[in-house]
Amino acid sequence: AQSVTQLGSHVSVSEGALVLLRCNYSSSVPPYLFWYVQYPNQGLQLLLKYTSAATLVKGINGFEAEFKKSETSFHLTKPSAHMSDAAEYFCAVSGREYGNKLVFGAGTILRVKS
Amino acid sequence: KAGVTQTPRYLIKTRGQQVTLSCSPISGHRSVSWYQQTPGQGLQFLFEYFSETQRNKGNFPGRFSGRQFSNSRSEMNVSTLELGDSALYLCASSLQDANSGNTIYFGEGSWLTVV
Repeated sequence: AQSVTQLGSHVSVSEGALVLLRCNYSSSVPPYLFWYVQYPNQGLQLLLKYTSAATLVKGINGFEAEFKKSETSFHLTKPSAHMSDAAEYFCAVSGREYGNKLVFGAGTILRVKS
Repeated sequence: KAGVTQTPRYLIKTRGQQVTLSCSPISGHRSVSWYQQTPGQGLQFLFEYFSETQRNKGNFPGRFSGRQFSNSRSEMNVSTLELGDSALYLCASSLQDANSGNTIYFGEGSWLTVV
């Protein structure tokens, strides 16, 4: 079955430092790609999505992600971390090779140190 | 524009009981899907409904069922609850199905605890 992998279940950065959360997908055909964020005791909020337009996608809260077909990756970045960015981040993919549903990565918990 | 609304937000049930969770999608959205989130298994797809028809189903036992009404509102039911059913159940809605690339919006979830 096609899958999506998030490297690093926990990432810790200092406030003001670069945030880099990694996501790789497995299908040969580029899927639709999404990043969601989940704050404690809340649902999932969409940060950004890639649907075959520009390879660099800008999202909310200063986040962006770059689609790289050659690396089958869609890593999420933010130039300067803020304390309010502490949350769990999920990469998700959809498309025909994923069975007409969102397939999620295992999630990465981002900790921001003051 | 109101988001995806789920009720109840929190509930506690006893093993063997059944539970019904409700979801109101964003106005105009015809696709409603359900996901289960647990610490051990992560986010797993339960099923998806479009125009009152179940179009896709995940790998869950038959105790998990759902339906969609003509106004696109959806319910999911879990019968004969087991301790392992304790989870956050998330409802999501979109204009079309996941193959279309439409954005899928999630509700706040229903926290189910089975004791």
